[in-house]
Amino acid sequence: EVQLVESGGGLVQPGGSLRLSCVASGFSFSTSKMKWVRQAPGRGPECISYINFSSTGMYYADSVRGRFTISRDNAKNSLYLEMKSLRAEDTAVYYCARVPRDGDGYGYADYWGQGALVIVSS
Amino acid sequence: DIQMTQSPSNLSASVGDRVTVTCRASQTISSWLAWYQQKPGEAPKVLIHRASTLENGVPSRFSGSGSGTDFTLTINSLQTDDFATYYCQQYRGFPWTFGQGTKVEVK
Repeated sequence: EVQLVESGGGLVQPGGSLRLSCVASGFSFSTSKMKWVRQAPGRGPECISYINFSSTGMYYADSVRGRFTISRDNAKNSLYLEMKSLRAEDTAVYYCARVPRDGDGYGYADYWGQGALVIVSS
Repeated sequence: DIQMTQSPSNLSASVGDRVTVTCRASQTISSWLAWYQQKPGEAPKVLIHRASTLENGVPSRFSGSGSGTDFTLTINSLQTDDFATYYCQQYRGFPWTFGQGTKVEVK
């Protein structure tokens, strides 16, 4: 059974930092592309970052570029999101998700974690 | 960025109804489109990718169509379990973007 389990969410003050982790099981993590998607309260999802299987390719949404860093440790079947200079507008549920290959393309998510809530507030 | 516009934002329907949700991209995305279903407190669940390919285990009452800029999700014979919010997402180019969602409610 495929499982993605996020951890590390919580309450943080504006300007603070937080590191999210996602542990994967039930599939070949080391050959899988992964991404982080967040969803603010009452809003639609937003893809904020992507990483390929070898960490040689990464993308960031404009809203987080320069503040967030995606990384992975294939030996530990783990995906990470380092978040710095957090703002109130970063308050959201953060999901890690697997990005399957779709022919010549990729970008949708077939498996999602349960989500980690991040609240940025003083 | 490619903007995705869904309509309607809200939809009231009854069990057994045929429901149609549309999604329009601000530029051509070929068939690089996925549809998701989300229930309160849960992660989105993918229903369809490549505009019309049904995911394993998804009931056949769900179908997707379209290419280029205009896409449709159809639910034939709506079931109780289908009352949820539906999102389209393009993956033609990063940033991969979602529509604002269509909430299917009980009439």
